[in-house]
Amino acid sequence: AQSVTQLDSHVSVSEGTPVLLRCNYSSSYSPSLFWYVQHPNKGLQLLLKYTSAATLVKGINGFEAEFKKSETSFHLTKPSAHMSDAAEYFCVVSDRGRNAGNMLTFGGGTRLMVKP
Amino acid sequence: GAVVSQHPSRVICKSGTSVKIECRSLDFQATTMFWYRQFPKQSLMLMATSNEGSKATYEQGVEKDKFLINHASLTLSTLTVTSAHPEDSSFYICSAREVDSNQPQHFGDGTRLSIL
Repeated sequence: AQSVTQLDSHVSVSEGTPVLLRCNYSSSYSPSLFWYVQHPNKGLQLLLKYTSAATLVKGINGFEAEFKKSETSFHLTKPSAHMSDAAEYFCVVSDRGRNAGNMLTFGGGTRLMVKP
Repeated sequence: GAVVSQHPSRVICKSGTSVKIECRSLDFQATTMFWYRQFPKQSLMLMATSNEGSKATYEQGVEKDKFLINHASLTLSTLTVTSAHPEDSSFYICSAREVDSNQPQHFGDGTRLSIL
């Protein structure tokens, strides 16, 4: 069985300050992990993925995440927030080995708000 | 990159109407497509897994006679909400997995269904 916990339902930062969105997971197998972003009334856009290569994963729009097996964490960070980063972010795990396309389990989501 | 087109983006109709939502993979073949439902301010909930040429696999609690899924080709899956009622109002999102299943799922932009 697999599960994902996003520790914060809402995060508010000021423009230009760092972003940290926390995610912890549990998985019976070696997981594939993803971060997706969702803007209002839109589908999900892939920010980045971890599938067993480097533990520090760089994604689009300046985001990155670090896979820490000992802490079962996959936190999302960005050095400097932009107004356009305001959106809902989902941490997602896929089980069954390294097969990244298999059934996904979603975290509850974190709404990121960026203040001017 | 891989694109999933979902149509329509928004539907408003009367109670009792059946509504069909299409999910197309535009530049890749998708052996498997997934249908999700998202309630306001909540995460995505998997409804069913659609495999090309075979019956869909529904998640527990999802009525297969209510939510009809057809996956007749490698680029098209449809979800039909039969005899829709106000409680079926929701945001429905599809995703598709490429034949090379090491790739992550690609998501459509979602369909906002409102039943009056």
